Amino acid sequence: GEDVEQSLFLSVREGDSSVINCTYTDSSSTYLYWYKQEPGAGLQLLTYIFSNMDMKQDQRLTVLLNKKDKHLSLRIADTQTGDSAIYFCAERDQAGTALIFGKGTTLSVSS
Amino acid sequence: GAGVSQSPSNKVTEKGKDVELRCDPISGHTALYWYRQSLGQGLEFLIYFQGNSAPDKSGLPSDRFSAERTGGSVSTLTIQRTQQEDSAVYLCASSLQGNYNSPLHFGNGTRLTVT
Repeated sequence: GEDVEQSLFLSVREGDSSVINCTYTDSSSTYLYWYKQEPGAGLQLLTYIFSNMDMKQDQRLTVLLNKKDKHLSLRIADTQTGDSAIYFCAERDQAGTALIFGKGTTLSVSS
Repeated sequence: GAGVSQSPSNKVTEKGKDVELRCDPISGHTALYWYRQSLGQGLEFLIYFQGNSAPDKSGLPSDRFSAERTGGSVSTLTIQRTQQEDSAVYLCASSLQGNYNSPLHFGNGTRLTVT
């Protein structure tokens, strides 16, 4: 079945770049997603990428997709303390309906 | 416009009691999803609705769990005879269509504590 793996923790200093990595298993995935969860809140859609793209940039966020290696990354430039949250990578299931999530990467930003 | 709304935001119940969790999706969204988030377990898919029908119930953990959706809008997740292991945050999401290019939009969840 589908599986999504992420490292659990990342700690950076304010102003540095953060890179959060994710691997997935389903090579037929057409869309891959990044969500952010702040304490006590639901998941907020950050960005998504279509599988025929290698890169997508949206302000401070850059998504890189290596389809051959089934590897997805999210780079946050000039990381701020407000970026501290849990970041989830997700792929669509084989039926194309539900999203399969990784366990999330907790990003801690220190000033 | 309004996002996905879930109620209650917090629910404390005694073991063995039944609970109902409610989800109001974004207006016009035909697909609705329930997930469970437990500490250290990530997000576990429970059930998916397209309109009022549930083509995929594969994630419901036991027959104590059921869900319905009426009028293509509001959904209710019911847990009967609650157990302590049911304690978790239950998240609802909706999307414009239940297919590849419709991202999911999440509510803030219901935190369920079974004592």
